[in-house]
Amino acid sequence: SQQGEEDPQALSIQEGENATMNCSYKTSINNLQWYRQNSGRGLVHLILIRSNEREKHSGRLRVTLDTSKKSSSLLITASRAADTASYFCATAALGKLQFGAGTQVVVTP
Amino acid sequence: NAGVTQTPKFQVLKTGQSMTLQCAQDMNHEYMSWYRQDPGMGLRLIHYSVGAGITDQGEVPNGYNVSRSTTEDFPLRLLSAAPSQTSVYFCASSYTQGTGELFFGEGSRLTVL
Repeated sequence: SQQGEEDPQALSIQEGENATMNCSYKTSINNLQWYRQNSGRGLVHLILIRSNEREKHSGRLRVTLDTSKKSSSLLITASRAADTASYFCATAALGKLQFGAGTQVVVTP
Repeated sequence: NAGVTQTPKFQVLKTGQSMTLQCAQDMNHEYMSWYRQDPGMGLRLIHYSVGAGITDQGEVPNGYNVSRSTTEDFPLRLLSAAPSQTSVYFCASSYTQGTGELFFGEGSRLTVL
């Protein structure tokens, strides 16, 4: 069973636009992480936000966490063609990470 | 820097055959894990290990065996392959328990006919 569910499933934007994707989860967590997967490759860790944090930034990435609503969002600002990938949220609880099904993002030049 | 190395990258098996997917990491991580990725399902945890000699089951362990004789290696064995095990398999490791940042291999694509 999946803990995190991303929304939307797919997103198509133009270069320079912002991309926002959301993740909802069901149970209490220690932290929430976002990963990127380019086609045919392994997942790459982007950012980790702890349960006592509300917002975190890393370069063009901004992550928010609302534990009362059990949801998180990932914002990619000023998207580039190289941002084309699938993005996964993963929730950490009971010593394990559970992944959602991902959001496919396509950035067109 | 090698990181997490998986072999083979591609494999085709017939139903009933057995095989081992290899995983090695050179980061001295105590925690290692195996996930399978299926379309629309995200990644599901198969087995994990918190150190040499210690393994435990994840969400979908049936049909798979693991062992951890060294810190570096964490092989995944399919004892009698079934078409339902057609998937992409990822090995991942972490310097903390399984709630920290995971470092992934490039994946092994397995097809069972």
